[in-house]
Amino acid sequence: GIQVEQSPPDLILQEGANSTLRCNFSDSVNNLQWFHQNPWGQLINLFYIPSGTKQNGRLSATTVATERYSLLYISSSQTTDSGVYFCGVKAAGNKLTFGGGTRVLVKP
Amino acid sequence: DARVTQTPRHKVTEMGQEVTMRCQPILGHNTVFWYRQTMMQGLELLAYFRNRAPLDDSGMPKDRFSAEMPDATLATLKIQPSEPRDSAVYFCASGLVTYPGDMLFGPGTRLTVL
Repeated sequence: GIQVEQSPPDLILQEGANSTLRCNFSDSVNNLQWFHQNPWGQLINLFYIPSGTKQNGRLSATTVATERYSLLYISSSQTTDSGVYFCGVKAAGNKLTFGGGTRVLVKP
Repeated sequence: DARVTQTPRHKVTEMGQEVTMRCQPILGHNTVFWYRQTMMQGLELLAYFRNRAPLDDSGMPKDRFSAEMPDATLATLKIQPSEPRDSAVYFCASGLVTYPGDMLFGPGTRLTVL
């Protein structure tokens, strides 16, 4: 099946800093989504981005499908950005396969 | 604000007992997913329904797990008999076939099997 790798596994930021999270995948995909799991465990859908670039406030994402990677940008980070960020991809079929996540801690 | 609801939020049970987890998907959504999250395995798909029909349950241990959608407002995941290795957080998500970006997760059921 498709392999999904996220980097870095852990990220510690000072409030106000910018950061980039990466998601690499091993096969062509027709669906890619970024999720944020907050410290209370809730999974929140951030972006549906099988290709191209999208922005939502301080967050933006870019997927280069031909090169099999996606990037999530966090600008002017805030403590509420802490949590785990997951990339989920779907090749053929119905299964959204998740990467191992990037654990982000934003310090005040 | 439409939400996916799950009950119970927490469940502690003893090995061998039956466990039933329930999910109410968002009205109008035609896909329902069950995911399991553990530290070791991360997020794994257990079952997938489209228009209440099970399309993919390849990730589910068939001997003890079963998933059903008796109607459009209820999805259930049962474990019988439960084992300690089933301890995990079980998430339900719902969405639209036509726009996967609308996929929303419920708050999860944290299951502990002693």
